[in-house]
Amino acid sequence: QQQVKQSPQSLIVQKGGISIINCAYENTAFDYFPWYQQFPGKGPALLIAIRPDVSEKKEGRFTISFNKSAKQFSLHIMDSQPGDSATYFCAAGDSGGYQKVTFGIGTKLQVIP
Amino acid sequence: DVKVTQSSRYLVKRTGEKVFLECVQDMDHENMFWYRQDPGLGLRLIYFSYDVKMKEKGDIPEGYSVSREKKERFSLILESASTNQTSMYLCASSLYLPNILAGGETQYFGPGTRLLVL
Repeated sequence: QQQVKQSPQSLIVQKGGISIINCAYENTAFDYFPWYQQFPGKGPALLIAIRPDVSEKKEGRFTISFNKSAKQFSLHIMDSQPGDSATYFCAAGDSGGYQKVTFGIGTKLQVIP
Repeated sequence: DVKVTQSSRYLVKRTGEKVFLECVQDMDHENMFWYRQDPGLGLRLIYFSYDVKMKEKGDIPEGYSVSREKKERFSLILESASTNQTSMYLCASSLYLPNILAGGETQYFGPGTRLLVL
């Protein structure tokens, strides 16, 4: 059973466009929702994270939107650039779970010039 | 600068061999994790450790074991490698936060070990 469902698996966006990746979760105990970015040949690195007490968090061109009632959250990349081409993983964790998180399957983003 | 290193970037092993994957972190983190990454399946947790000599099974522990004798080092062991264990293996570490409201903490990943079992 996939606890964190992520879509789409792949995404092609034109330079300057908006990239949108969606995630949904089942476990209502989840209270921490990070996004990780992975470039080829590298391990994932934390991009941005949100807790359910806020509905939106923005860091530069990256924004997380969170809908607690729908148990969904999404990553928006504004003004997408070729350098944003990477695989993006959403994840979810809970305070009582030894601080481990469950990852989505990943979205491979390609930003074309 | 935060650093998680993995002993090998690429490994080729034969079916039935015992395989050791080593991970070292220099951040004095309490938590350490082993994942495998496969296309279409994302990152799946194999085992994690929240203290020296302590370990917990993740979502897919079958066919694997781990060892954590020192705080900075976490080893993943494939007792008898099989072809379905061909994968990218990622190690990560994170700081333990005792505040119950802290929840998850940033995980710092190594570069990964790509293992091919023939």
